[in-house]
Amino acid sequence: DSGVTQTPKHLITATGQRVTLRCSPRSGDLSVYWYQQSLDQGLQFLIQYYNGEERAKGNILERFSAQQFPDLHSELNLSSLELGDSALYFCASSGLLAGEYNEQFFGPGTRLTVL
Amino acid sequence: GENVEQHPSTLSVQEGDSAVIKCTYSDSASNYFPWYKQELGKRPQLIIDIRSNVGEKKDQRIAVTLNKTAKHFSLHITETQPEDSAVYFCAASIWVNTPLVFGKGTRLSVIA
Repeated sequence: DSGVTQTPKHLITATGQRVTLRCSPRSGDLSVYWYQQSLDQGLQFLIQYYNGEERAKGNILERFSAQQFPDLHSELNLSSLELGDSALYFCASSGLLAGEYNEQFFGPGTRLTVL
Repeated sequence: GENVEQHPSTLSVQEGDSAVIKCTYSDSASNYFPWYKQELGKRPQLIIDIRSNVGEKKDQRIAVTLNKTAKHFSLHITETQPEDSAVYFCAASIWVNTPLVFGKGTRLSVIA
C-alpha cells in the first residue's frame, strides 16, 4: 500500500457524460500528479499540483480539469467524455523527507470505461 | 519536450538468467531516472532510481546504469525469478518532484 488513495476504483459511463475522480495523497505530501494509462499511449502525464496551485501541465485535454483543495486532496474532472477517454487514471504524490524530495508514489488507479 | 525510448518491448528469459532493459532520453536537462514495475491491474511501483550525479546504483539483484553523455540508462536484473514477471517502465524528469516522462514499457516474462 503506497498510502495514496483513489476513488472510485471503477467507473462506467456513457459518451458525453462528466465524471470526477478523487485522489488523497500520502500524509504530508504536497505534490499531486495525474497520469493517464492507455494501451496505445502508455503512461502520460496530465497535470501536477503543489500545495493547491497548478505546477505543471502535460497532455491534458481542454475537456479535462483538475484542482487541489486546502486539505491537499485532488480531483480530476473529465467532461464531454469520448470512447477514447477510456483508460486507467493514476494519481501520484511526492513530498519532502529529511530535506530531500522522495519519489512519486502511485495510487491504485481508477479504471474509466466510456460506452 | 522530453522523449523516452525503451527497448525491448517484450523480453523472455529463463529463470536464473539476467535481463537487461535499455532506455534513451532526449532532454539533457533531465536529472532523475526512475524505474517502475507494474503487475497486471496494479499500480506502478518504484523499484530503483538514479540521479544524474551517479553512474551506477545497485540494490540486491537490481542495478541501474546511467550514461549522461550518451543520454541512455539501463536496468539490469540478475538471477531472475518468476515473480520478476511484470511490465517495467523507465522514466525521466528534470528532478524528483517534477512530472515523469515514461517509456512505453517492457513486458518481462521469466520462464521457470
